[in-house]
Amino acid sequence: GDSVTQMEGPVTLSEEAFLTINCTYTATGYPSLFWYVQYPGEGLQLLLKATKADDKGSNKGFEATYRKETTSFHLEKGSVQVSDSAVYFCALSEDFGNEKLTFGTGTRLTIIP
Amino acid sequence: DARVTQTPRHKVTEMGQEVTMRCQPILGHNTVFWYRQTMMQGLELLAYFRNRAPLDDSGMPKDRFSAEMPDATLATLKIQPSEPRDSAVYFCASGLGQNTEAFFGQGTRLTVV
Repeated sequence: GDSVTQMEGPVTLSEEAFLTINCTYTATGYPSLFWYVQYPGEGLQLLLKATKADDKGSNKGFEATYRKETTSFHLEKGSVQVSDSAVYFCALSEDFGNEKLTFGTGTRLTIIP
Repeated sequence: DARVTQTPRHKVTEMGQEVTMRCQPILGHNTVFWYRQTMMQGLELLAYFRNRAPLDDSGMPKDRFSAEMPDATLATLKIQPSEPRDSAVYFCASGLGQNTEAFFGQGTRLTVV
């Protein structure tokens, strides 16, 4: 079945550091890929997405590129801020007929000033 | 600003009691998901509906959990009888399916004592 494996946390970085959170997936079809973010006490919010190979999703300075050859969708940001502290989830959704989102375990990110 | 609304936000109940959680999906969305989040298991899909029909509830303990959509504006998740191991945050999400993102509510934090 489908699965998502993401980098174990927690991750602690200093402000303005470069961020990478790794995500790889296993899927039978041609999934869409997502990164969600969860701030304390809140539900998950979509951060970015990519629907086909080589697409790059971007939002709020975060980027991730859909790499079919390595089945990966790593999240990156060039300069993190304290406000980026949250839990980040990688997820996939299969194509027609099976829209359920499969999530990774989440990576807790803490940015220190 | 369209959003998924969940009630109650918090619920404390005694073991053996019935618990009902409610969700109002975003108007026009045809796909509804119920997820459970715990520290140990992360995000688990309990059930999902398309056009109010249940498509997959394999993640849900059938003996005590039930999920329904009485109409397009209401989804319910019931636990009867509740047990301490059911303590978790329960999220409802809705979407348009077909590889699009899901929009999450703020969750119901359930504590069973």
